[in-house]
Amino acid sequence: SQKIEQNSEALNIQEGKTATLTCNYTNYSPAYLQWYRQDPGRGPVFLLLIRENEKEKRKERLKVTFDTTLKQSLFHITASQPADSATYLCAPSSNSGYALNFGKGTSLLVTP
Amino acid sequence: DTGVSQDPRHKITKRGQNVTFRCDPISEHNRLYWYRQTLGQGPEFLTYFQNEAQLEKSRLLSDRFSAERPKGSFSTLEIQRTEQGDSAMYLCASSFGASFQETQYFGPGTRLLVL
Repeated sequence: SQKIEQNSEALNIQEGKTATLTCNYTNYSPAYLQWYRQDPGRGPVFLLLIRENEKEKRKERLKVTFDTTLKQSLFHITASQPADSATYLCAPSSNSGYALNFGKGTSLLVTP
Repeated sequence: DTGVSQDPRHKITKRGQNVTFRCDPISEHNRLYWYRQTLGQGPEFLTYFQNEAQLEKSRLLSDRFSAERPKGSFSTLEIQRTEQGDSAMYLCASSFGASFQETQYFGPGTRLLVL
């Protein structure tokens, strides 16, 4: 069955460092992958979408890579700030349906 | 219109009661989705509408769950004979476009607690 794995442990980093979050998937071949941010008690907010033919995508301090051979996406936040503290969800998706399948998410805590 | 809205934000009910949640999507969005999220998990897909047509339902959507989008605008999700296992955050999302690779915009969710 399809499986999406994100860092199971919370990630604690110091302000100013780069945070790297991992999303691994098995048993399917997504055409694209999305990353969302979720704050406690709120709905997810879209951050970035990367397609299977794109190796890397950037938006301000965010960078996403997509390695279809390794079946992995890495999500980087450079110069991290305490305001970046949240749960980050990945959603690898095919072109066969509109529903998003999310990983469990990785909790990021950035301390001053 | 600034985003997807959901009502109520919180609902406490007793086991066996029926509950109904409402979702108002972003006005020009033709697709509307319902997801359920429990603590420590990512959102799980329940069902999806394109305009007023319900096109996909997850196997998570038991017979006690029903969703409607009567005029292709707002949507309701009803749970009949609630069980404690129904306690979760119910999220609504909407999107617009013709391709699969569309951003979904989520509402704040309705948190349900079944006692």
